Amino acid sequence: GAGVSQSPRYKVAKRGQDVALRCDPISGHVSLFWYQQALGQGPEFLTYFQNEAQLDKSGLPSDRFFAERPEGSVSTLKIQRTQQEDSAVYLCASSLLTGSPLHFGNGTRLTVT
Amino acid sequence: GIQVEQSPPDLILQEGANSTLRCNFSDSVNNLQWFHQNPWGQLINLFYIPSGTKQNGRLSATTVATERYSLLYISSSQTTDSGVYFCAVNSGGGADGLTFGKGTHLIIQP
Repeated sequence: GAGVSQSPRYKVAKRGQDVALRCDPISGHVSLFWYQQALGQGPEFLTYFQNEAQLDKSGLPSDRFFAERPEGSVSTLKIQRTQQEDSAVYLCASSLLTGSPLHFGNGTRLTVT
Repeated sequence: GIQVEQSPPDLILQEGANSTLRCNFSDSVNNLQWFHQNPWGQLINLFYIPSGTKQNGRLSATTVATERYSLLYISSSQTTDSGVYFCAVNSGGGADGLTFGKGTHLIIQP
């Protein structure tokens, strides 16, 4: 597609449920990033893929967070046993190469009740 | 890690006014980008500018890498310029993600 596509746009989960968030990057973009944005804050880095390889996961807040990009295109961010503090907007971004301009999707707003 | 400070945190202007937004960073950078987050949450890339000056219509940006700051200029503001402007940087050294500042919240009044 023309831009980065994320789904679902909104997700409400009960505490303890598992969720999966999908990102479809711009076709041909090698680099894919996940960010977390809390209300009133700037996005914070979670993890980075170059093609199918997850090269940096230093920003994942706990072992309940897991991301994959098995074929080097679509990526999924999974959160197990969601907690209230996981409520945030999860943003996916892609770039043609590492260090080139970043293009963001519209994000998934996760609310954990 | 690298620190990013943006100023001012909030700015309210009348339509037609000009503004300058500043981004200071604590270490040398190999990647600096400016973004506009509109009221619907969409982040739009404005500039990729680790050094030098670029212009795109009413917007321009300058990064002085040796002095560790970048400036975003908005001229003849329009109400559609409202939103949050973020500066984001990467200093390399193995870190792959961009570090974002807290943003400047800009409101343009008609």
